[in-house]
Amino acid sequence: DAGVIQSPRHEVTEMGQEVTLRCKPISGHNSLFWYRQTMMRGLELLIYFNNNVPIDDSGMPEDRFSAKMPNASFSTLKIQPSEPRDSAVYFCASSRTSGGLGNEQFFGPGTRLTVL
Amino acid sequence: AQSVTQLDSHVSVSEGTPVLLRCNYSSSYSPSLFWYVQHPNKGLQLLLKYTSAATLVKGINGFEAEFKKSETSFHLTKPSAHMSDAAEYFCVVSDPDGTASKLTFGTGTRLQVTL
Repeated sequence: DAGVIQSPRHEVTEMGQEVTLRCKPISGHNSLFWYRQTMMRGLELLIYFNNNVPIDDSGMPEDRFSAKMPNASFSTLKIQPSEPRDSAVYFCASSRTSGGLGNEQFFGPGTRLTVL
Repeated sequence: AQSVTQLDSHVSVSEGTPVLLRCNYSSSYSPSLFWYVQHPNKGLQLLLKYTSAATLVKGINGFEAEFKKSETSFHLTKPSAHMSDAAEYFCVVSDPDGTASKLTFGTGTRLQVTL
């Protein structure tokens, strides 16, 4: 079983450039989550989807961030324009939702983003 | 709102000695609780979970945790530490919002294992 797949694993870009992070959830999982991890702020939930619909995007830091889930097997997190303070590790996770409780999330390996 | 507090940001033990990582939770509901581990430059891996069944939960790699409602605690233990246990450990509570299991993470405890 493949697990959650994220690409790229590492991204280095210059300030002002557009960055697109990609995620393929585990087949059969109907919830998908995007997190950001930094030394200063720890692990933060940015947005999550259920059945491809965004449910809670209150963690998205500002309008420069956007996320989409066009189908059950693919999601993107886009930053435009990127800034140095966006440098972090971005994780995607997925879970199978049944009643909302006790459903562990499976995490991808993360994308380490560096904005110069 | 749900929350978890990890009482120690850093714990150091000698190899072969017991491990105790402390976690207290706050919840208006009967919570689901998890422990995740993150090794350096890796993603998060589930160690164990509690979902209102047995209060003593056994996980992978010899770890276990006990749910104590009276103390609102969910401490993680292991009888004998191994060098490979050195990692960051996160206590997590699940928010039952009905549509998906939104997780709230603690700030993490870094476990150091020395010879």
